Amino acid sequence: GQQLNQSPQSMFIQEGEDVSMNCTSSSIFNTWLWYKQDPGEGPVLLIALYKAGELTSNGRLTAQFGITRKDSFLNISASIPSDVGIYFCAGQLPGSQGNLIFGKGTKLSVKP
Amino acid sequence: SAVISQKPSRDICQRGTSLTIQCQVDSQVTMMFWYRQQPGQSLTLIATANQGSEATYESGFVIDKFPISRPNLTFSTLTVSNMSPEDSSIYLCSVRVTGLTGELFFGEGSRLTVL
Repeated sequence: GQQLNQSPQSMFIQEGEDVSMNCTSSSIFNTWLWYKQDPGEGPVLLIALYKAGELTSNGRLTAQFGITRKDSFLNISASIPSDVGIYFCAGQLPGSQGNLIFGKGTKLSVKP
Repeated sequence: SAVISQKPSRDICQRGTSLTIQCQVDSQVTMMFWYRQQPGQSLTLIATANQGSEATYESGFVIDKFPISRPNLTFSTLTVSNMSPEDSSIYLCSVRVTGLTGELFFGEGSRLTVL
C-alpha cells in the first residue's frame, strides 16, 4: 500500500531547542495533517494543510504543505517538556474515500 | 470538532473470545473509520463504517474477523472476533465531521490485551 516516510524516528532534545520533522511520499496528497499522541490517548490534531505551499502555524508549531504535494514538515519552536509525545503525519490521497494514511511517527523526548 | 467516546477504554481478553467496541459521537458526522494501532506502531485503517450498509474493508482485514455496524450517524461498533494474542492493539474510532476531505478526529482508543 501507500507509504509515508516520516523522519526522524525519534529525537531527544534539550528544552528550549527547536525541532523539525518531515514526511515524504512518492505519491501526491491533497491533504496533509499533523497529529500528536500522548501515552494512553488517541491522536490529537495539531495542524491541517490543504494547499500546496501552504504554511500554517498553531502557537509554537508551524507546518508546511510541500510544493510538490509529496511532502510536509512540522517545526516546533522553543520546545517545552509537555511537547513530549509521538508526532504523526497523515495524508489523504486524491480520490480516496476520505481515509488517511499515517507515517510511522516521530517520538520526541525533551530534557528539562 | 467532535467529542468521541469509546467503550471499553481497555480490556483483557481470553484467546478465542470476541469483544465489541462501541464508538459514540456527540453530533452527526459524515464518515466514521476504525483504525488499529499495534504496540509501538503507527495507525492502520481497518475499515470505513458506512451508515446503513456494509463496511468497506482495507486489504488484510475481513468482515468475519472485524464485523462493523453503523446504525446511525453518531454510533458505530467494531467487534474483534475469535481473538488471538496478535490482536492485542489499540483500536481507534475516528470521524470526519463534514464532507469527504480534511480533518479526522479520534477517540481515546480501546486498548485490548489478549492472553
